Amino acid sequence: DAKTTQPTSMDCAEGRAANLPCNHSTISGNEYVYWYRQIHSQGPQYIIHGLKNNETNEMASLIITEDRKSSTLILPHATLRDTAVYYCIVRAPGGAGNMLTFGGGTRLMVKP
Amino acid sequence: GAGVSQSPRYKVAKRGQDVALRCDPISGHVSLFWYQQALGQGPEFLTYFQNEAQLDKSGLPSDRFFAERPEGSVSTLKIQRTQQEDSAVYLCASSLASGANVLTFGAGSRLTVL
Repeated sequence: DAKTTQPTSMDCAEGRAANLPCNHSTISGNEYVYWYRQIHSQGPQYIIHGLKNNETNEMASLIITEDRKSSTLILPHATLRDTAVYYCIVRAPGGAGNMLTFGGGTRLMVKP
Repeated sequence: GAGVSQSPRYKVAKRGQDVALRCDPISGHVSLFWYQQALGQGPEFLTYFQNEAQLDKSGLPSDRFFAERPEGSVSTLKIQRTQQEDSAVYLCASSLASGANVLTFGAGSRLTVL
């Protein structure tokens, strides 16, 4: 699986957009970018995933650069409940071992 | 059920005791995963089931760890002769299909070994 690099922590003001970057310069052509988040004392929660086109759902938007070497998760109007650790994971569907590999993630603190 | 259910939520064990952690995945989900999460770290893969078959147990840290899913639904993670380094949150996740990377996680079982 391609390795990802994320900032250790970020702050965001409540109501503003939170833009969380992820570098995955060794991504392969069949690998998707997945985002999960983990709120304190809960299990990780799936947010969104994409291959090369930008994606949007009710939780967030995912912007993937044209060369696919980096991506940004956007929470358009961050709330205090969005304070969590955000994990960027790159993986091919049905890959060997079938497990997601979590790194350290980005600890997002949304402040009032 | 509506989500992945894990029990107990909290378990305190004395060193050397055996523990069993239970996972009830979402009904009909084929794939089931166990992860271990130490304090301040990301989850680390332990083992994977497709229905009742344990297809990958490469992440189990020692032979004291054993997992089963005999009927392809409920799974149990058993840790024998617990050690202090086993203290962690144990997360269970399930997905509808094999090879899928969209997982639904439970809230985890926090194990503290004294």
